[in-house]
Amino acid sequence: KNEVEQSPQNLTAQEGEFITINCSYSVGISALHWLQQHPGGGIVSLFMLSSGKKKHGRLIATINIQEKHSSLHITASHPRDSAVYICAAPNSGNTPLVFGKGTRLSVIA
Amino acid sequence: EPEVTQTPSHQVTQMGQEVILRCVPISNHLYFYWYRQILGQKVEFLVSFYNNEISEKSEIFDDQFSVERPDGSNFTLKIRSTKLEDSAMYFCASSWGPGQEAEAFFGQGTRLTVV
Repeated sequence: KNEVEQSPQNLTAQEGEFITINCSYSVGISALHWLQQHPGGGIVSLFMLSSGKKKHGRLIATINIQEKHSSLHITASHPRDSAVYICAAPNSGNTPLVFGKGTRLSVIA
Repeated sequence: EPEVTQTPSHQVTQMGQEVILRCVPISNHLYFYWYRQILGQKVEFLVSFYNNEISEKSEIFDDQFSVERPDGSNFTLKIRSTKLEDSAMYFCASSWGPGQEAEAFFGQGTRLTVV
């Protein structure tokens, strides 16, 4: 079973700071998912990536398949970025996702 | 933009009662999932459904749980006799392909409270 670990668990940043959240997993995969969970509980998919880097607005996700590691970066952070960020990986070759515990980000104005 | 919709958003039920959680996945998606999140814990996989049958289930998904896609649009999760420990947020998700290939889209969740 894939073990997905995230760090840090909690992160507080000042508005405008550059944020990095890390994710490592134990079983080789071909794609990893980054998700955002808002205080109300809803989950939104941010990225699915299998190699290199993807960018969407101020969010950048990178992955190193050989090292089984991915990072999510937020540039010019804003209070509205405050949420729980979760990485998830398929369980070996099967379909369901194994979730990390999430990183709770608070951005203070 | 197409989205996954779940109803109800919040359900309170007595222990021992049956509950049905409803989901309408995105229309052209083929893979359907239920996940749950107990308060303060990480999201856990319950069951995946493809081609009108369960393709995988976790150890959590015991005989008290069942899923159906009764009419080609709705995807339901039934808990036959709820226990206190079933209290959680339940998320439905859908994708056009398996997890290694396709992005999963999640509903807003149903918060189930068993009293």
